[in-house]
Amino acid sequence: ETGVTQTPRHLVMGMTNKKSLKCEQHLGHNAMYWYKQSAKKPLELMFVYNFKEQTENNSVPSRFSPECPNSSHLFLHLHTLQPEDSALYLCASSQDIRGRYNEQFFGPGTRLTVL
Amino acid sequence: TQLLEQSPQFLSIQEGENLTVYCNSSSVFSSLQWYRQEPGEGPVLLVTVVTGGEVKKLKRLTFQFGDARKDSSLHITAAQPGDTGLYLCAGVGQGAQKLVFGQGTRLTINP
Repeated sequence: ETGVTQTPRHLVMGMTNKKSLKCEQHLGHNAMYWYKQSAKKPLELMFVYNFKEQTENNSVPSRFSPECPNSSHLFLHLHTLQPEDSALYLCASSQDIRGRYNEQFFGPGTRLTVL
Repeated sequence: TQLLEQSPQFLSIQEGENLTVYCNSSSVFSSLQWYRQEPGEGPVLLVTVVTGGEVKKLKRLTFQFGDARKDSSLHITAAQPGDTGLYLCAGVGQGAQKLVFGQGTRLTINP
């Protein structure tokens, strides 16, 4: 138990569906992240939020839309996805993006399959 | 672009053997972290090294940061099946904020 929870754990969706991934952290951190983990690729950073403000969008297609209503919650809204978007989506938090070590605490991930 | 190369990418050994995993870069990092990820879970932070030449031990795991802060190694003594998992190194570049991850080493310890 890392203090970061993600729901749902598994999601199967069609290319025309709209769904949302949810992340919640109970660590009192100020920074939250979305990562994509695909087979045989390094972890890919997607979005970064610090104190609810988006500080990084790593050239992510617009079919992925993040939302951070407060420092404890992070959403990833999905629409018109492609089969190549199938992956494990990981949420993480850290004390602050300006921390020297930026040690991150990860949730268990959402395994997404796009049909 | 800062890159971290991990080797080997896959390693399968018998219980009781020793092993070393490497994490290399041509860039200098202000700190480097090691994570372990088990199937169906997210990565879990094992250790952070910050000083060139630093060595940290976590039970049977020994982590070392290179003198020039461009590389790191993870050595496991007397590996056990519970050590099975994906080991990821990640670094914070100088003057940067985000973590850069290596592609991981998938370790399997056979009973």
